[in-house]
Amino acid sequence: NAGVTQTPKFQVLKTGQSMTLQCAQDMNHEYMSWYRQDPGMGLRLIHYSVGAGITDQGEVPNGYNVSRSTTEDFPLRLLSAAPSQTSVYFCASRGQGRTDTQYFGPGTRLTVL
Amino acid sequence: GENVEQHPSTLSVQEGDSAVIKCTYSDSASNYFPWYKQELGKGPQLIIDIRSNVGEKKDQRIAVTLNKTAKHFSLHITETQPEDSAVYFCAASIKGGSYIPTFGRGTSLIVHP
Repeated sequence: NAGVTQTPKFQVLKTGQSMTLQCAQDMNHEYMSWYRQDPGMGLRLIHYSVGAGITDQGEVPNGYNVSRSTTEDFPLRLLSAAPSQTSVYFCASRGQGRTDTQYFGPGTRLTVL
Repeated sequence: GENVEQHPSTLSVQEGDSAVIKCTYSDSASNYFPWYKQELGKGPQLIIDIRSNVGEKKDQRIAVTLNKTAKHFSLHITETQPEDSAVYFCAASIKGGSYIPTFGRGTSLIVHP
């Protein structure tokens, strides 16, 4: 049981490039989320999904796309990277119960030059 | 939407002292309050949580208290140890379909040996 996995761990992009951050969980969780963490800003929600085929925007969705074709995977796409998207990105998943524990992945550190 | 304020942003204590981190929330509909610990280079991990029908919960050296009337909750760590050094996040979850938590900005706890 690997929990929540994220790839890559580190990534450097040039402004304007696109890329996909991968996230997978093997706990059969319905809820999955993407957060970005910036110094002094805590964890801000980008997008989330309540099940396969269902996604919604969080607090800071601009410049990011998501899709949820399977229960296990929830990739985050950067359409045209900007320096403001330099951050650490965390994927998280949670079961269906109201107070089920949210599990976080190890994070992807992204730098946009 | 929900707004969670967390204080202090940095807390420095001597080993063996107690540490208290305080959070306030804005939405009276919130009814689940988890606390996460994030060690350097890792994703946040749940350490304790409390529901709105409970005023206090303890787990060894860690306790959380909740005052629903004042809309604030606190994390108490007693007999701190150097391995308690980390960033701690509080969160509040709103009733409704997705129960996506809103996070505070985090507290960096430093325990000096």
